[in-house]
Amino acid sequence: AQSVTQLDSQVPVFEEAPVELRCNYSSSVSVYLFWYVQYPNQGLQLLLKYLSGSTLVESINGFEAEFNKSQTSFHLRKPSVHISDTAEYFCAVRTRGQNFVFGPGTRLSVLP
Amino acid sequence: DTGVSQNPRHKITKRGQNVTFRCDPISEHNRLYWYRQTLGQGPEFLTYFQNEAQLEKSRLLSDRFSAERPKGSFSTLEIQRTEQGDSAMYLCASSFGEIETQYFGPGTRLLVL
Repeated sequence: AQSVTQLDSQVPVFEEAPVELRCNYSSSVSVYLFWYVQYPNQGLQLLLKYLSGSTLVESINGFEAEFNKSQTSFHLRKPSVHISDTAEYFCAVRTRGQNFVFGPGTRLSVLP
Repeated sequence: DTGVSQNPRHKITKRGQNVTFRCDPISEHNRLYWYRQTLGQGPEFLTYFQNEAQLEKSRLLSDRFSAERPKGSFSTLEIQRTEQGDSAMYLCASSFGEIETQYFGPGTRLLVL
C-alpha cells in the first residue's frame, strides 16, 4: 500500500525567510503527486501538482516542488514566505487505479 | 457554480443516533469522494463514486457507514449508531476524470457525545 511521510509536523519560520516542507512517498510505480493547502477555517485547496513532464512544478503564489523519482520525494519550497502563507500543507500521492493517499500534514507558521 | 458544498457544516449528536451528511459536487464533475479527517491527520479515504456507481469503499470503513449518489449528482453519507470515535471532519471532494484535481468542500464537523 502507498504511504506518504511528512517528517515535520510543525515548521515555524520568520517572514521573508525560505522554507522547505518535506514529503516522501512509498511507491514503485508511476505516481501523481499533489500539494494541498488548508488555511485556517477553510477547506483544502490544490496548491500544485505533478502528473508528468517537467519535474519542477510551480504555483501562482511562489511555491514550487520538485519530483525526485530516485529519492521518492516531492518537497515543497518557497524562497520567501509571507504571513499569509500560514496554513497546514498536505502532500498527497496517487497511482493509476488507486485512490489518493494523504500525508499527516505540516503546519507552517510564519512569524513576523 | 461556487464549488463543492456540504451540509450541515456542524453536527452534534448523542452516541447511538444516526446522522446523514450531504455533499453537492461541482456540477460537471463525474467523480465524488468522501474522506474523514481527524485532528493532526490528513484526509483518510472512505469511498468514491463515478457517476452513480460506488466503485470503492475503504476496508477500514465500518458497516455502519453507507453512502449513496442516486442520480449521479449530490451524495449522502450516513453513519448509523454513531460512536464517539466517529467524531471527525467529514470531507467531500469532486473531480472530472481519474487523475484530475479534486476540489474539496468545507467539510462537516461531527461531534458524538
